[in-house]
Amino acid sequence: DAMVIQNPRYQVTQFGKPVTLSCSQTLNHNVMYWYQQKSSQAPKLLFHYYDKDFNNEADTPDNFQSRRPNTSFCFLDIRSPGLGDAAMYLCATSRGYPTNTEAFFGQGTRLTVV
Amino acid sequence: QQQVKQSPQSLIVQKGGISIINCAYENTAFDYFPWYQQFPGKGPALLIAIRPDVSEKKEGRFTISFNKSAKQFSLHIMDSQPGDSATYFCAASGPSGTYKYIFGTGTRLKVLA
Repeated sequence: DAMVIQNPRYQVTQFGKPVTLSCSQTLNHNVMYWYQQKSSQAPKLLFHYYDKDFNNEADTPDNFQSRRPNTSFCFLDIRSPGLGDAAMYLCATSRGYPTNTEAFFGQGTRLTVV
Repeated sequence: QQQVKQSPQSLIVQKGGISIINCAYENTAFDYFPWYQQFPGKGPALLIAIRPDVSEKKEGRFTISFNKSAKQFSLHIMDSQPGDSATYFCAASGPSGTYKYIFGTGTRLKVLA
């Protein structure tokens, strides 16, 4: 039973062409996260939502935007992908209340920029 | 202060051996310490987690040892199996209300058959 679902699993986009990655959850968790993971590196937090409250990491490039239209869905928009944005993008959720507990990850979207 | 330092970067263990991965943190406000296992091309999956009010937690072959005074915690994999070959990440989160998970740099474990 998939709980955090990311689509697509693989995405190829052209340099500079906007791309959107999607994430949905069936856990009804308050918090949703987007992480970027490059080869052999740790996941790097881009931003997260607590409900509709958006929290951007200070070092997340302006090229990356996010939308959370409702509890279940969250989108990552890359406005003008560069070659350096090729990576695995991971969506995760956590309950968030009353204390931090397990974060559940999706299977990721592998983004290739050509 | 937000970093979590993880070692070793890679580890090779014989089947049946013990795998040990170590992590250290600085921020004493962290209050939740999970370990994640990640296979190639997959998302991380929670393996085991601990809070600082206990010094050890065991689930099957996996044990977390936690040393609050030293600000260190470690993962022990007993009777390591080839199927355990994966990348392991420690993480830290807290205090409550911050919702962020800070990941260590990862350890690539290879268990030889």
